[in-house]
Amino acid sequence: KQEVTQIPAALSVPEGENLVLNCSFTDSAIYNLQWFRQDPGKGLTSLLLIQSSQREQTSGRLNASLDKSSGRSTLYIAASQPGDSATYLCAVEGGATNKLIFGTGTLLAVQP
Amino acid sequence: GAVVSQHPSWVICKSGTSVKIECRSLDFQATTMFWYRQFPKQSLMLMATSNEGSKATYEQGVEKDKFLINHASLTLSTLTVTSAHPEDSSFYICSASTSGGTYEQYFGPGTRLTVT
Repeated sequence: KQEVTQIPAALSVPEGENLVLNCSFTDSAIYNLQWFRQDPGKGLTSLLLIQSSQREQTSGRLNASLDKSSGRSTLYIAASQPGDSATYLCAVEGGATNKLIFGTGTLLAVQP
Repeated sequence: GAVVSQHPSWVICKSGTSVKIECRSLDFQATTMFWYRQFPKQSLMLMATSNEGSKATYEQGVEKDKFLINHASLTLSTLTVTSAHPEDSSFYICSASTSGGTYEQYFGPGTRLTVT
């Protein structure tokens, strides 16, 4: 059974810092991995999707990497801003269906 | 981009009543729709997967007679919480996919259900 874990559970950084969020999964047989952002009481915003054949994806100040063999992904946020404050979720899709298994999330607070 | 809406965005109902939540894909046809629930400070848990015109497939531990899912068209799926109890209070989020294969899911904004 696939399990997805995110470390740290919460993170507080001053504005301008670069930061890394971690995601690990137990079953390396995945189709893809996605990073989402969730603001309080809101739905999910997809940030980046990495196919299993890819190593990384970049969008603006965000860079996500994937090491399938070791079951790890990282989300790198450059030059953090207070507007980046949210919960970040990673999710993996694998097996015969396109079910997404979500991680536990990292609550990020960027202090102005 | 693909847009998914949910209605209502929040609802309060009394214990024992039923409540229906709608999930619509506004600008694409969704072959598959998914329903998730999220408890406070917890992650999303998949409840069920529905394909248009077929019965939904429920995850282990989810009561299919309590959470009725209908996916009658390629743009609409509904989740009905029957005989709601306070422990059903949660944030319900749907997502839609254009294919049953490995394609991106597009998420709705969620529905906050409070059962009193």
